[in-house]
Amino acid sequence: QQQVKQSPQSLIVQKGGISIINCAYENTAFDYFPWYQQFPGKGPALLIAIRPDVSEKKEGRFTISFNKSAKQFSLHIMDSQPGDSATYFCAASMNRGSTLGRLYFGRGTQLTVWP
Amino acid sequence: EAQVTQNPRYLITVTGKKLTVTCSQNMNHEYMSWYRQDPGLGLRQIYYSMNVEVTDKGDVPEGYKVSRKEKRNFPLILESPSPNQTSLYFCASSPLKSTDTQYFGPGTRLTVL
Repeated sequence: QQQVKQSPQSLIVQKGGISIINCAYENTAFDYFPWYQQFPGKGPALLIAIRPDVSEKKEGRFTISFNKSAKQFSLHIMDSQPGDSATYFCAASMNRGSTLGRLYFGRGTQLTVWP
Repeated sequence: EAQVTQNPRYLITVTGKKLTVTCSQNMNHEYMSWYRQDPGLGLRQIYYSMNVEVTDKGDVPEGYKVSRKEKRNFPLILESPSPNQTSLYFCASSPLKSTDTQYFGPGTRLTVL
C-alpha cells in the first residue's frame, strides 16, 4: 500500500509558469516531508523539506505548502524554467524530523518545462 | 573526491544466480541505505543501516540481504534473483548529524532474465 500518494504523474508547463505537484498521506505519525529532484541518469537530490508545524517553506523559486488537517502537501515551482525539467518525488518519514531511517516516497512526477 | 560508488553499474544476469551489488562511500558516513526505482512505482527503500553492524528493513526487503561489517561498505546481496528484481538500484549515505542530506550513488541497472 502506497503510504504517500503523488499526483500528477506527469506535468507540462510553459516557461515562466507555475508547476504544482501534490502529495497526500494517511499516517499521522509522519513528521518530516522532503521533496527530491532527479535528473535523467542521476540519483535523487534533496530539494526542500518541511516539518508539520509549519504551513509553508520557501527556498528561492521552490515552495512547499503543508495542510496538516487535510494531510496534504504540495510543491510549487514559481517561474518554471527548462532546467527544472526533471522527476520530482515527495516523501515522508517518521524519524523525528530526519530523512535517516524509514523513508516513504511517492511515485514521482515527471515535469517538462517548455521554452 | 567525496562520493558514493556502486559496482557494477550495469548487470544482466539469470534467475537464481547469486549476485552482490557493492556500495562504498569515502565520507566516513554512519548512515547508508539502499533503494530501488521502478517506472510508475517511484523509489522504494530496501534496507538501511544507521551504523556498523546495525541494519533495518525498509519497505521492500524481501529477496534481499545486506551486511554492514565496516563503515564504508554496504553491499546488497540477491541470493536467488528473480525477474521481478529487475530494477534501478541506488545506494545512499549520510552523516548521522545531518537530518536531510543523503548522498546518492550513480545507480546500478540490474536485469534478471
